Amino acid sequence: AQSVTQPDIHITVSEGASLELRCNYSYGATPYLFWYVQSPGQGLQLLLKYFSGDTLVQGIKGFEAEFKRSQSSFNLRKPSVHWSDAAEYFCAVGAAGNNRKLIWGLGTSLAVNP
Amino acid sequence: DAGVIQSPRHEVTEMGQEVTLRCKPISGHDYLFWYRQTMMRGLELLIYFNNNVPIDDSGMPEDRFSAKMPNASFSTLKIQPSEPRDSAVYFCASSLTGAGANVLTFGAGSRLTVL
Repeated sequence: AQSVTQPDIHITVSEGASLELRCNYSYGATPYLFWYVQSPGQGLQLLLKYFSGDTLVQGIKGFEAEFKRSQSSFNLRKPSVHWSDAAEYFCAVGAAGNNRKLIWGLGTSLAVNP
Repeated sequence: DAGVIQSPRHEVTEMGQEVTLRCKPISGHDYLFWYRQTMMRGLELLIYFNNNVPIDDSGMPEDRFSAKMPNASFSTLKIQPSEPRDSAVYFCASSLTGAGANVLTFGAGSRLTVL
């Protein structure tokens, strides 16, 4: 079955600390992978995506993610967290071709202590 | 571009009433998606359109839900009659065909409360 697992429901980090949010997926085809961020009361915004090529992808706001096929993972990282990064983070997987249905994780809520 | 525009932002209604949510996608985008977000179930794809044609409505929970896209710049999601379990945030998103078709731009959402 196709699925996306974000093992951490809630994470709290101190401002300036490094961050890693985990994402594991189960998908039959070659995956397209995404991270979206949702600030309170807002819609989701794309942080970064992986389609092919270099397995380390850079996104907006200083985020990066690494695709590890052998581990079926696409973890999101940031070397130094800012208070404005507090939000909900969603990992999603999709496929090439005409299927536009993304499979979504349940999200990880990030809190940042000053 | 103003992005994906949804209205209303908040709707409170009583059980049994009809609810209509509206969406204006980004100009030029040819895919439009309706999602529902709840704490229990997360993000659920309800239906998506390509060039105004419904492609997959398998996520629509039941016949009380219907969606239309009469033209490239407007879509509606209707719930009739509404029930308390329909309370959720409903998102509209759009995307452009090609490699970026899975790159969704979301609206700010419509928070529905059914009493």
